[in-house]
Amino acid sequence: EVQLLESGGGLVQPGGSLRLSCAASGFTFKTYAMSWVRQAPGKGLEWVSAISASGDRTHYADSVKGRFIISRDNSKNTVFLQVNTLRAEDTAVYYCAKLKENFGDSSADSWGQGTLVTVSS
Amino acid sequence: DIQMTQSPSSLAASVGDRVTITCRASQGISRWLGWYQQKPGKAPKSLIYAASSLHTGVPSRFSASGSGTDFTLTISSLQPEDFATYYCQQYNTYPLTFGPGTKVDIK
Repeated sequence: EVQLLESGGGLVQPGGSLRLSCAASGFTFKTYAMSWVRQAPGKGLEWVSAISASGDRTHYADSVKGRFIISRDNSKNTVFLQVNTLRAEDTAVYYCAKLKENFGDSSADSWGQGTLVTVSS
Repeated sequence: DIQMTQSPSSLAASVGDRVTITCRASQGISRWLGWYQQKPGKAPKSLIYAASSLHTGVPSRFSASGSGTDFTLTISSLQPEDFATYYCQQYNTYPLTFGPGTKVDIK
């Protein structure tokens, strides 16, 4: 059974940083692309970033480009999202998702439970 | 960026009803479209990929079709556990984009 467990969220001041983690199990992690999707309170889903299976290709939403960095450690079955220069509008639940293919532009087939990031002074 | 729209934004239906949700892309995306279900306070659940293929474990009452710019998700006989919000997502072109969602409520 695929399991994705996010961690690292919390309350942070505007301009601050956090490192979100997603620990994966139940599948051969190194062969699948991974993605982060967020959801602001009361709003819809917003795609944030994706990384290929090998980690050599990354993609970002315009709203986070230059501030967020996605990475992965295939030896530890973990994908990360470094979120920097946080703004109030980054407040959201951040979901980790496993993609169906080894490249980032593919459908998600499994989701974590999410980790809440709150940006407030 | 490719804009995704959904209609209706919400609907009220009864158990046993046939429900259809439409998703439209601002430009052609071939069949690179997924559908997701989300219940309040829960993570999304993947239903459909490649416009019409069911993810493993998704009940057969869910079906989907379309290509290019126009897509539909159909629930043939609405069950109590199907009351939720449904999102489409295109993965043809970066940045990947979701539709605004369609909330299915109990009538």
